[in-house]
Amino acid sequence: NAGVMQNPRHLVRRRGQEARLRCSPMKGHSHVYWYRQLPEEGLKFMVYLQKENIIDESGMPKERFSAEFPKEGPSILRIQQVVRGDSAAYFCASSPRGGADNEQFFGPGTRLTVL
Amino acid sequence: GQNIDQPTEMTATEGAIVQINCTYQTSGFNGLFWYQQHAGEAPTFLSYNVLDGLEEKGRFSSFLSRSKGYSYLLLKELQMKDSASYLCAVGFSNDYKLSFGAGTTVTVRA
Repeated sequence: NAGVMQNPRHLVRRRGQEARLRCSPMKGHSHVYWYRQLPEEGLKFMVYLQKENIIDESGMPKERFSAEFPKEGPSILRIQQVVRGDSAAYFCASSPRGGADNEQFFGPGTRLTVL
Repeated sequence: GQNIDQPTEMTATEGAIVQINCTYQTSGFNGLFWYQQHAGEAPTFLSYNVLDGLEEKGRFSSFLSRSKGYSYLLLKELQMKDSASYLCAVGFSNDYKLSFGAGTTVTVRA
């Protein structure tokens, strides 16, 4: 009974490159959330997706960031033309139903370092 | 965003008790989660409170007062492995996301 999977666990990019972060939710979960965690700060919501739909992207920067959750395959968080300020831990969580009253199960995170 | 406030750091000795407080805005409150996060790892679920009162789960208990916008996580009989960050997260009505506090780093000393 695998939990939420994220890969890669660590990603190093140079400024201007693209970063692709992948998240496979728990089996049976169709709701995926992406959060960003900066050092000494709490988790900040970025985007909430259901299969093939973006439900809420209010926490995602308008430029350079995009997310998808296709019918088949993992959810992808894509950051184009990365800058040093994008360095952070990116966590994915999944739940069997939507709504903030449902426990969200977190993956191990991807630690992005931009040189 | 919603203001979720919790202390930054707490230190206690093995076997002791520590109480981590969390305050939040009451408007639209739906429920409150506590997560534990060890360094470099995923947050893991500890508790969920919707109604007023104390929920006990072994060495960990969580309390909620909806009218005061206040919760605490109580860790009893502290063990070295309890050294971690403890995250308070609140769900609000008509919202999907959780709003997290910055986390409280608990250090357990021998």
